[in-house]
Amino acid sequence: EIVLTQSPATLSLSPGERATLSCRASQSISINLAWYQQKPGQAPRLLISDTSNRATGIPARFSGSGSGTDFTLTISGLEPEDFAVYYCQQRSYWPLTFGGGTKVEIK
Amino acid sequence: QITLKESDPTLVKPTQTLTLTCTFSGFSLSTSGVAVGWIRQPPGEALEWLAIIYWNDDKYYRPSLKSRLTITKDTSKNQVVLTMTDMDPVDTARYYCAQRRGDLWFDPWGQGTLVTVSS
Repeated sequence: EIVLTQSPATLSLSPGERATLSCRASQSISINLAWYQQKPGQAPRLLISDTSNRATGIPARFSGSGSGTDFTLTISGLEPEDFAVYYCQQRSYWPLTFGGGTKVEIK
Repeated sequence: QITLKESDPTLVKPTQTLTLTCTFSGFSLSTSGVAVGWIRQPPGEALEWLAIIYWNDDKYYRPSLKSRLTITKDTSKNQVVLTMTDMDPVDTARYYCAQRRGDLWFDPWGQGTLVTVSS
């Protein structure tokens, strides 16, 4: 099973700041990684698929990069609605797996 | 508009069998390429993928839970059903169904339903 390790567990930032979230895979998964956003009491929402493709309606301040085992989600300027938990997910190998999440909180 | 909705919250006793229904609209599970998956999330914890069923009835399960899970579809009712046997308190979680997007991503998701396992 592919283990996805997200860091940091919590990121404390102010609105307008840049957020950099990391997801590391236990073995190479090419670019087969997605990012989801989950706000309290809500279901996750797909942000980015295949490492860098923004889903429909996702603002351009969200960007993804990486390949192999190291991936990054960048939020270029945090808006109030961006404070949430972010999960990565891989689809290279069964079973599909998610990372443990990174909480982006207001500093 | 695509929507998915899980069955109502439920309380089950240890060793009992859980049956969850996902009712969806805006797409058909008889259309080539379409699939619906189940993902759960224990309180305060991360997401865990459970199972997925494709339009052609192909099914995949989380290996560690495979012996306990069954996923089926009723195309005429636009429903996907997940059963999980021998429930344990560690199975307490919010259970989500979601449509497969692209290759094996999930979007959109249902609102989720809370399953509590307690005697």
